[in-house]
Amino acid sequence: QQPVQSPQAVILREGEDAVINCSSSKALYSVHWYRQKHGEAPVFLMILLKGGEQKGHEKISASFNEKKQQSSLYLTASQLSYSGTYFCGTERPNDYKLSFGAGTTVTVRA
Amino acid sequence: DSGVTQTPKHLITATGQRVTLRCSPRSGDLSVYWYQQSLDQGLQFLIHYYNGEERAKGNILERFSAQQFPDLHSELNLSSLELGDSALYFCASSPGQLSNTGELFFGEGSRLTVL
Repeated sequence: QQPVQSPQAVILREGEDAVINCSSSKALYSVHWYRQKHGEAPVFLMILLKGGEQKGHEKISASFNEKKQQSSLYLTASQLSYSGTYFCGTERPNDYKLSFGAGTTVTVRA
Repeated sequence: DSGVTQTPKHLITATGQRVTLRCSPRSGDLSVYWYQQSLDQGLQFLIHYYNGEERAKGNILERFSAQQFPDLHSELNLSSLELGDSALYFCASSPGQLSNTGELFFGEGSRLTVL
């Protein structure tokens, strides 16, 4: 079952912040975040295992609320290079697959 | 360059035909995943192989089949093609199971156009 991402799209000016949410109706083992630029393959950003940890990649960080089966990706002080489509991928226990959400398109303008 | 090689990069064919997409994972990676991405759509999981064995299956059509060979490369076979099968097909590899190893390394994809 695919996770639900919101919002579908967001437009930012350089330096602004944004939050992308990802939620699942099923118990999760881990949440993965990827970014895909137009015409390219998805690129891994980070993985969060159950336990509520928070991770960071440059000025991009994420959290995972295991009890709510929700994860959020935080884009801080956005840069032009942050433009792209962000996908959350969820892994359920003993599922052996990563199910991706529909994606959130982020456009950062100068 | 992720180290995952997919061929062909582009393929144009007609409805009713059959095609084979090939994926060579990164050296040493045992897991191969196939995903379908239609125009402006998300990544739909098709199938996962680990060291030659099928580990998970998504909503893969019966017209589609896949296998992973002893040298760990994988092939995705699409038959009786329909217009709706036009999409970008990604292969991804990882050293082992997902959470143990984290990152999936995606190839550049094979773009299939069915006319």
